[in-house]
Amino acid sequence: QIQLVQSGPELKKPGESVKISCKASGYTFTDYAMHWVKQAPGKGLKWMGWINTYTGKPTYADDFKGRFVFSLEASASTANLQISNLKNEDTATYFCARETMGITTSYFDYWGQGVMVTVSS
Amino acid sequence: DIQMTQSPASLSASLGETVTIECLASEDIYSNLAWYQQKPGKSPQLLIYYANSLNDGVPSRFSGSGSGTQYSLKINSLQSEDVSIYFCQQNYDSPYTFGAGTKLELK
Repeated sequence: QIQLVQSGPELKKPGESVKISCKASGYTFTDYAMHWVKQAPGKGLKWMGWINTYTGKPTYADDFKGRFVFSLEASASTANLQISNLKNEDTATYFCARETMGITTSYFDYWGQGVMVTVSS
Repeated sequence: DIQMTQSPASLSASLGETVTIECLASEDIYSNLAWYQQKPGKSPQLLIYYANSLNDGVPSRFSGSGSGTQYSLKINSLQSEDVSIYFCQQNYDSPYTFGAGTKLELK
């Protein structure tokens, strides 16, 4: 069955970096784009951007340009999110989500379980 | 950016009731609208895509409708397991914005 399994929770200090992973299984990894979504505690969902898993090209939403990097380990069917120079406001749960392209639309049909990143001094 | 205005922010209903959640886009999104259900401590789950297409395995009491800028999610015969937060999302244009969510509780 199709699964996206993310890495475990992280506790970091301001200014540090974190790399979280999203390992896909049950489908051909390079056939589907991977998106990243942020959810701050008690808040809604915010789309961060996506990575083309065939070419490796990332696209970032404006609020996530600069300190955020999407990358792949395609041989391991894994997408990664790295956040550098962490700030308190990066405290959130980060989800990866697979995008399926239909004939007329696309949608996020499978999601990882989420990674809670806590930034605190 | 396309703004998604979701209403109501919270909703209390009784078992067996029918509830409706609405989403208003700031411009025409040509039915490129999905609805997700998120239970506490869990990841969002896709309910509806392309405004009215039911995702595999989703109970038929869920339905979506709308076009242009106005969309709605209807839940018929509310069940206890439907207590969740519901989000709409437009995937017509980047950035793929979400509504702020509707928290559905049992009365």
